[in-house]
Amino acid sequence: NFMLTQPHSVSESPGKTVIISCTRSSGSIASNYVQWYQQRPGSSPTTVIYEDNQRPSGVPDRFSGSIDSSSNSASLTISGLKTEDEADYYCQSYDSSNHGEFGGGTKLTVL
Amino acid sequence: QVQLVESGGGVVQPGRSLRLSCAASGFTFSSYGMHWVRQAPGKGLEWVAVISYDGNNKYYADSVKGRFTISRDNSKNTLYLQMNSLRAEDTAVYYCAKDLGKSITGTTKVDYWGQGTLVTVSS
Repeated sequence: NFMLTQPHSVSESPGKTVIISCTRSSGSIASNYVQWYQQRPGSSPTTVIYEDNQRPSGVPDRFSGSIDSSSNSASLTISGLKTEDEADYYCQSYDSSNHGEFGGGTKLTVL
Repeated sequence: QVQLVESGGGVVQPGRSLRLSCAASGFTFSSYGMHWVRQAPGKGLEWVAVISYDGNNKYYADSVKGRFTISRDNSKNTLYLQMNSLRAEDTAVYYCAKDLGKSITGTTKVDYWGQGTLVTVSS
């Protein structure tokens, strides 16, 4: 099995850009797709990025995803930050043992 | 639109059993893999189990293997999670989630989530 490590928290001002990282402990980050989920307080998660860099319909293009094989990590970039983006963000992937795995989550504060 | 509605949560004593259900609508249920994901109070998300579109392939997290069983009834558009030998550490909100694909090999790519049902294991 593997782990996905995220920063516990990040903060940035409205209108700015924030990048949330997700580092895979073993196995290549490129070997299995990475998804990103947003969870606002008191709500269920919603999907903001799937298959590394694809946005579901309805998700603004301020949200983008990427992977970097050199650092074995994935990143979620949110540009033009809005107060409504304040939430917990989770990365997620899977492996050849058919297990899903979530990162520990990153609390985004927009101040 | 896609709707996933969980039910069956509640308070249960350690060692007892509980069955969760998830009623799906707004998509062709029999064409997609389905997952259960849980979240303990104040904690992060934990993947629990996945079942392929046809029910033939099932995979579990190590923490629940041998105690939980995922199943589906495609004629009723319903997903289930049978939870046996419950422990205090199973206390969580349980989410039903739809996969982007068929999940034949257990791939986890969720595109829709339910609202969750709370399971509390306590004496």
